[in-house]
Amino acid sequence: AQSVTQPDIHITVSEGASLELRCNYSYGATPYLFWYVQSPGQGLQLLLKYFSGDTLVQGIKGFEAEFKRSQSSFNLRKPSVHWSDAAEYFCAVGHNTDKLIFGTGTRLQVFP
Amino acid sequence: GAVVSQHPSRVICKSGTSVKIECRSLDFQATTMFWYRQFPKQSLMLMATSNEGSKATYEQGVEKDKFLINHASLTLSTLTVTSAHPEDSSFYICSARDSRAGGTEAFFGQGTRLTVV
Repeated sequence: AQSVTQPDIHITVSEGASLELRCNYSYGATPYLFWYVQSPGQGLQLLLKYFSGDTLVQGIKGFEAEFKRSQSSFNLRKPSVHWSDAAEYFCAVGHNTDKLIFGTGTRLQVFP
Repeated sequence: GAVVSQHPSRVICKSGTSVKIECRSLDFQATTMFWYRQFPKQSLMLMATSNEGSKATYEQGVEKDKFLINHASLTLSTLTVTSAHPEDSSFYICSARDSRAGGTEAFFGQGTRLTVV
């Protein structure tokens, strides 16, 4: 079955600390992988995506993610978190960009 | 970048009434749009695929007679929640992909929070 798992429901970090949000997927074919960010009451903004090629993907707002096929993972990282990064983060997988399967999300809290 | 606009952003309605939510692609054409539903503290679940000029395709477990979808033009899809009940209260989000060749990103609207009282 196709699925996305985000093991961490809630993560708290101090401003300036590094961040890694985990994402594991189960998908029958070569997946398209995405990370989205959602601020309270808002829609989703695409942070980055992986289709093929270089497995280390750079996104907006200083985020990056690494696709590891052997581990079926696509973890999101940021070297130094800012208070404005506090939000809900969703990992998603699909055959293309259309019908996406989302993880349950990770809520990031940032302390000053 | 491409913009998808949803309207209204918030709506409160009485139980038994119907509510229409609009999803517009403002600066691109979208032959296909998608409607998702998000319960509090949960992830987004795909409800249906909206196809311009044809019937929508619903995911398993979604009542097509309750959630009416119309995609009358290349820039507009509407979701109507008919005879709404409190359990329909949720956050509804649409997405659309630019139909031009090579368009590889789905853009999301800002969502509509529906509260049925």
